[in-house]
Amino acid sequence: QQQVKQSPQSLIVQKGGISIINCAYENTAFDYFPWYQQFPGKGPALLIAIRPDVSEKKEGRFTISFNKSAKQFSLHIMDSQPGDSATYFCAARSGDSGSRLTFGEGTQLTVNP
Amino acid sequence: DAGITQSPRHKVTETGTPVTLRCHQTENHRYMYWYRQDPGHGLRLIHYSYGVKDTDKGEVSDGYSVSRSKTEDFLLTLESATSSQTSVYFCAISGLNYGYTFGSGTRLTVV
Repeated sequence: QQQVKQSPQSLIVQKGGISIINCAYENTAFDYFPWYQQFPGKGPALLIAIRPDVSEKKEGRFTISFNKSAKQFSLHIMDSQPGDSATYFCAARSGDSGSRLTFGEGTQLTVNP
Repeated sequence: DAGITQSPRHKVTETGTPVTLRCHQTENHRYMYWYRQDPGHGLRLIHYSYGVKDTDKGEVSDGYSVSRSKTEDFLLTLESATSSQTSVYFCAISGLNYGYTFGSGTRLTVV
């Protein structure tokens, strides 16, 4: 049962453009929403995370937008660079699941120079 | 990543043979997890541990078992490997701040 749906599966953006990846969830018990970045041959690494009591969090060129009523959250990468080319995963944690994270299917981002 | 290592990094095994993957951490974190990564499926939880000798099943646990006899080590065993278990396996650890730290992965091929 997929509780976190991620789109698109793949995304191609020109250098300097904005990359947007979307996720939707069903479980209203989710209370922590991280994004992970994964380069080929490496494990995923935490990029940025948000809790549902705020609508937006920004760290450098990366921003999470969170819409609690719609049960959606998205990652925006401003001024995308070729070095941002990677696979991105959204995830969600339920307060009643210990520390387990449920991941989306992943988005392969390619930023063309 | 610093503080978590997986071994082996690559393994090719034959159908029907047992396989054990090891995850070792030096962070003294309580929680440890095993995920598999397959195209189109993202990361799916196999088993996890919330303490020594305390483990539980994830969403894709069939055909897998785990053991945690020490805080630092979490073993994943495929009792009788099948081709459907060809995948990249990731171990992760987490502390009180919920953030996961992943290992570098083990690429397992079952032929």
